[in-house]
Amino acid sequence: KQEVTQIPAALSVPEGENLVLNCSFTDSAIYNLQWFRQDPGKGLTSLLLIQSSQREQTSGRLNASLDKSSGRSTLYIAASQPGDSATYLCAPRSGTSYGKLTFGQGTILTVHP
Amino acid sequence: EAGVAQSPRYKIIEKRQSVAFWCNPISGHATLYWYQQILGQGPKLLIQFQNNGVVDDSQLPKDRFSAERLKGVDSTLKIQPAKLEDSAVYLCASSPMSQETQYFGPGTRLLVL
Repeated sequence: KQEVTQIPAALSVPEGENLVLNCSFTDSAIYNLQWFRQDPGKGLTSLLLIQSSQREQTSGRLNASLDKSSGRSTLYIAASQPGDSATYLCAPRSGTSYGKLTFGQGTILTVHP
Repeated sequence: EAGVAQSPRYKIIEKRQSVAFWCNPISGHATLYWYQQILGQGPKLLIQFQNNGVVDDSQLPKDRFSAERLKGVDSTLKIQPAKLEDSAVYLCASSPMSQETQYFGPGTRLLVL
């Protein structure tokens, strides 16, 4: 059974800092891994999807890395802004044909001006 | 492109009552998911449909929860009878196929008193 842990559980930083959010998972037989953002009272927004064969994926100020063999992924946020404040969730997708996502508990990020 | 639609957005019921949630996925998406998200946790998959067939319902409490996806489009999730521990946000998501990016609706926030 896949288990996903995200560290830290919460993070509060001043605007402009570069951040690293960590995700670890127990079953390395994954197909891909998604990072999501969730704003209070809203659904999830997909940020990045990184395939199991990839090492990195970038979108704007976001960069996700994946080390499948060690069961780790990181989300790097450059030059953080108050608008980045949200909960960030990682979700590895199983390698079975139906691709179940298993979510971590999330990292609550607060960026203050 | 219209996103995933869910209704109602909020629901308050007494324990032992029944409740139903509705989801309209993105047009053309074959795969539909229902998740339960308890406060402070990541979403947990309840059931996954591929077209109108169930491919994973291993975490669905089948004694009280049921779901259907008629004609492979809209879906309903029902709880009968509700318990206090069912208080959560119920998220619907869809994807073109099971291994691809999932798109989430805004969720239905359920409070059972």
